[in-house]
Amino acid sequence: EVQLVESGGGLIQPGGSLRLSCAASGFTVSSNYMSWVRQAPGKGLEWVSVIYSGGSTYYADSVKGRFTISRDNSKNTLYLQMNSLRAEDTAVYYCARVAEQQLVVYYYYYMDVWGKGTTVTVSS
Amino acid sequence: DIQMTQSPSSLSASVGDRVTITCRASQSISSYLNWYQQKPGKAPKLLIYAASSLQSGVPSRFSGSGSGTDFTLTISSLQPEDFATYYCQQSYSTSMYTFGQGTKLEIK
Repeated sequence: EVQLVESGGGLIQPGGSLRLSCAASGFTVSSNYMSWVRQAPGKGLEWVSVIYSGGSTYYADSVKGRFTISRDNSKNTLYLQMNSLRAEDTAVYYCARVAEQQLVVYYYYYMDVWGKGTTVTVSS
Repeated sequence: DIQMTQSPSSLSASVGDRVTITCRASQSISSYLNWYQQKPGKAPKLLIYAASSLQSGVPSRFSGSGSGTDFTLTISSLQPEDFATYYCQQSYSTSMYTFGQGTKLEIK
């Protein structure tokens, strides 16, 4: 069964650091594009970061320079290292697989597998 | 950066109604548009990708259309399990997968 399970969330003080993990089963993380998406309490979805199979990484402006996405191929696990945390980083963090599909001559990308999320609360 | 704007932000409808949700991109994104459904306390679920392709296992009452800057998600006959929040997402810019702000579909 294809599955993603996040862990590592918790209560952290402003300025602190936290590392989220996303363990995959049923597929290989390193062969896929993988992403993090977050949702602040009562708010909509916000894309956070993506890592491509070739290793390229991209970030939302709101987390650039503070968050780092990475993966451990031997553990088939995706990570999000979050530093200099702020109150506005409080959210449920989801990891998702970004599928690639060719239709006619074009490639399309969409998030087809999601974890259940892990909650990060930044507060003193 | 590409901005995605959904309308309406909320919508009340009855079981059996036909419902349409609109998503507009700040620039042309061709057909690089996805739709997700999210229920309270749950992860989002992919409904439609590439503007009009139905994800496997999604009921055929869901359909998507549009290209360029204007897109729609249509539910042909609302079922009780369809009351949820719906999000569009662009994948034209693969360095930033922007979501719309969401449309909350409520029971009238």
